[in-house]
Amino acid sequence: QQPVQSPQAVILREGEDAVINCSSSKALYSVHWYRQKHGEAPVFLMILLKGGEQKGHEKISASFNEKKQQSSLYLTASQLSYSGTYFCGTENPGSSNTGKLIFGQGTTLQVKP
Amino acid sequence: GAVVSQHPSRVICKSGTSVKIECRSLDFQATTMFWYRQFPKKSLMLMATSNEGSKATYEQGVEKDKFLINHASLTLSTLTVTSAHPEDSSFYICSARDLYEKLFFGSGTQLSVL
Repeated sequence: QQPVQSPQAVILREGEDAVINCSSSKALYSVHWYRQKHGEAPVFLMILLKGGEQKGHEKISASFNEKKQQSSLYLTASQLSYSGTYFCGTENPGSSNTGKLIFGQGTTLQVKP
Repeated sequence: GAVVSQHPSRVICKSGTSVKIECRSLDFQATTMFWYRQFPKKSLMLMATSNEGSKATYEQGVEKDKFLINHASLTLSTLTVTSAHPEDSSFYICSARDLYEKLFFGSGTQLSVL
């Protein structure tokens, strides 16, 4: 079943922060985050494998709450280059270690000068 | 990071013809590759899992005879859209997983069926 992302869209000014959430009705083995720019393929941001895990990549970080079956992506001090559509991809325990991901509907982020 | 190459990037074909899309993992071996389809401003929809040396596993609702998948080697998977129709027009993307469980995507193929 497809995970649910919120919000669907967000508009920011450069330097502002944003949070994108990803929730699943099923137990999760892992959560993957990707960013896609128009007309391009999705680009890997990070993967979270353990409940309670948090990871950071420059000014982009994420958390994974296994009990709540949800993950959040945190974008701090946003830059123009952060604009794009963000997808979470979830892997369920039944399909763990196969790489089979089901993607959320996406969150469109627009950063304005 | 790992590199996944996908060709062609864009193809226009006539209705009724078949189109083959290639997906290669350039610097790692991938026993499993995935094929996704994406409509404009929509999410990535998993079509099938391509398994090296065995039959592909299709998701519910995906026609096996319409979308033929062949995974002949550890670095190559192909998707053939047979007897294409305008409703098959879409953005098709392949992906492959490396040893660290990261999924890398090809650059995608925009298929337009006239």
